[in-house]
Amino acid sequence: ETGVTQTPRHLVMGMTNKKSLKCEQHLGHNAMYWYKQSAKKPLELMFVYNFKEQTENNSVPSRFSPECPNSSHLFLHLHTLQPEDSALYLCASSQRLTYEQYFGPGTRLTVT
Amino acid sequence: SQELEQSPQSLIVQEGKNLTINCTSSKTLYGLYWYKQKYGEGLIFLMMLQKGGEEKSHEKITAKLDEKKQQSSLHITASQPSHAGIYLCGADIWASQGNLIFGKGTKLSVKP
Repeated sequence: ETGVTQTPRHLVMGMTNKKSLKCEQHLGHNAMYWYKQSAKKPLELMFVYNFKEQTENNSVPSRFSPECPNSSHLFLHLHTLQPEDSALYLCASSQRLTYEQYFGPGTRLTVT
Repeated sequence: SQELEQSPQSLIVQEGKNLTINCTSSKTLYGLYWYKQKYGEGLIFLMMLQKGGEEKSHEKITAKLDEKKQQSSLHITASQPSHAGIYLCGADIWASQGNLIFGKGTKLSVKP
């Protein structure tokens, strides 16, 4: 247990569906992150939030929409995804941007 | 080309043997992070290195940072089956913006 939880752990969705991934951290951290991990590719940073403000959007397509209502919760809203979006989506948090990041267990997403 | 190269890509060692994994950056390193991942799961933080020449140890794992060479090494002494997994290095190459890049990982198998 790293203090970062993610739900659901597995998700199968069609290309026309809308779904959301949820991340919660119990560490009192101020920064939260979304990453995408695809087979045979390095872990890719998608979004960074610092004190609830988005500070980084790594050229992510608009079909991925993040939301950070407070420093403990982070959502990733998904709509009209493509099969190539199938991947493991990981959430992480850190005390500050310069500190080590702690990761959740991930959500395995399959787009059919 | 990859900004953060890890070598080797995979490694099979006999239990009790020592091993080293390397991580080399093509850009200046402002911080270097080592993580361990079990297949399909989240990353477990191992160590963070920030200063040239810095060396940290935890149990049988030692990590070093050579700032001049823009390189870090992870050394495991007397490997055990519990050390098996995927080792990932992450680097801060934008000076503390929380935007880490990762290597593709080194898959370690330890034969009993």
